Amino acid sequence: ELKVEQNPLFLSMQEGKNYTIYCNYSTTSDRLYWYRQDPGKSLESLFVLLSNGAVKQEGRLMASLDTKARLSTLHITAAVHDLSATYFCAVDNNNDMRFGAGTRLTVKP
Amino acid sequence: EAQVTQNPRYLITVTGKKLTVTCSQNMNHEYMSWYRQDPGLGLRQIYYSMNVEVTDKGDVPEGYKVSRKEKRNFPLILESPSPNQTSLYFCASSLLGRGGQFFGPGTRLTVL
Repeated sequence: ELKVEQNPLFLSMQEGKNYTIYCNYSTTSDRLYWYRQDPGKSLESLFVLLSNGAVKQEGRLMASLDTKARLSTLHITAAVHDLSATYFCAVDNNNDMRFGAGTRLTVKP
Repeated sequence: EAQVTQNPRYLITVTGKKLTVTCSQNMNHEYMSWYRQDPGLGLRQIYYSMNVEVTDKGDVPEGYKVSRKEKRNFPLILESPSPNQTSLYFCASSLLGRGGQFFGPGTRLTVL
């Protein structure tokens, strides 16, 4: 059974600092997604990673995928308050999607 | 405007009373899915569909039914709701195997 583990589950950062969220999964897959959810809101797609070595960047966020290690990372550069949200990774197991538990990020001044 | 709509947004019901949550998308997406979100558990997939008349069980299908008679609609049916189905439900759609999913606004269901 496919398991997806994110860590940390809670992350409190100072503005301007860098940090990485990790997403490990237990079975072979070369399609991984990152989503953002603001409190009380729906989910918004951030990144789609479709092959080993894929790297995508948008603003202060960069996502990468290592299918051999079964690991994806979401790197935050010079965090700002607007990045405060919950971030989910999701692994595509032949269209059966499995989500991590989410990382609740709080960026403090 | 490209969107996924769900109705109702909020629903309080009683155990055993059949209900349907509708989901519709206007992007001609092949793939549609339903999730429930519970604190600390992330999102868990209930059912998904890769095209009209094609549906498959996700991680937690027990107690739910779906149908895909038209490409744009993917209703979620609870034939006999129970309190453990109290949750926040999301519908989502995407191009098959090629994109991040577009999520609906969510339906908060309470079963008493």
